[in-house]
Amino acid sequence: RKEVEQDPGPFNVPEGATVAFNCTYSNSASQSFFWYRQDCRKEPKLLMSVYSSGNEDGRFTAQLNRASQYISLLIRDSKLSDSATYLCVVNSGTASKLTFGTGTRLQVTL
Amino acid sequence: NAGVTQTPKFQVLKTGQSMTLQCAQDMNHEYMSWYRQDPGMGLRLIHYSVGAGITDQGEVPNGYNVSRSTTEDFPLRLLSAAPSQTSVYFCASSETGGRYNEQFFGPGTRLTVL
Repeated sequence: RKEVEQDPGPFNVPEGATVAFNCTYSNSASQSFFWYRQDCRKEPKLLMSVYSSGNEDGRFTAQLNRASQYISLLIRDSKLSDSATYLCVVNSGTASKLTFGTGTRLQVTL
Repeated sequence: NAGVTQTPKFQVLKTGQSMTLQCAQDMNHEYMSWYRQDPGMGLRLIHYSVGAGITDQGEVPNGYNVSRSTTEDFPLRLLSAAPSQTSVYFCASSETGGRYNEQFFGPGTRLTVL
């Protein structure tokens, strides 16, 4: 089983739609969780950290479920500019080890 | 601030050739790392450094060497290139390797080994 698993998509949604991605992780000792965004042929950039209590940043909401070992990302009112690949990232104990999921591709259309 | 810079952007090598991928950051970050990204595999950690003079292996270190003589620079050396090393290479830095510290990535180097 992969340490971090994501549905590769693509998720094709119309502008204005709400879309949600899930990511599961296998190491129950994982301590930190992130969502990064990667545009085509560009470097990943931090979208948001995921806290135990859940957190929101504008149209983006991240949730953590430790019991079921998954994190989620909800995007409301999707924009064309949200089209990208969303990477789930988990830090498993040691500061140096970040494990990246393979990413979920989102395509927002008119 | 330029952030994290990488050179070259593109490189084609023949099997057996060696080369160095350059990475520099101007944010005075202690922690630097190298990843490779392959289709369907996600980013995988090659080597990392928690400060000048200190390096350690990541998940896929074979075939690569690193050194960290200054805080700013963290070059990645391919000793004898193989087609399996065809990939996109990203360098990243953060204030520390701490759990909540954002990693800043360079623009990547696209390497093809023939």
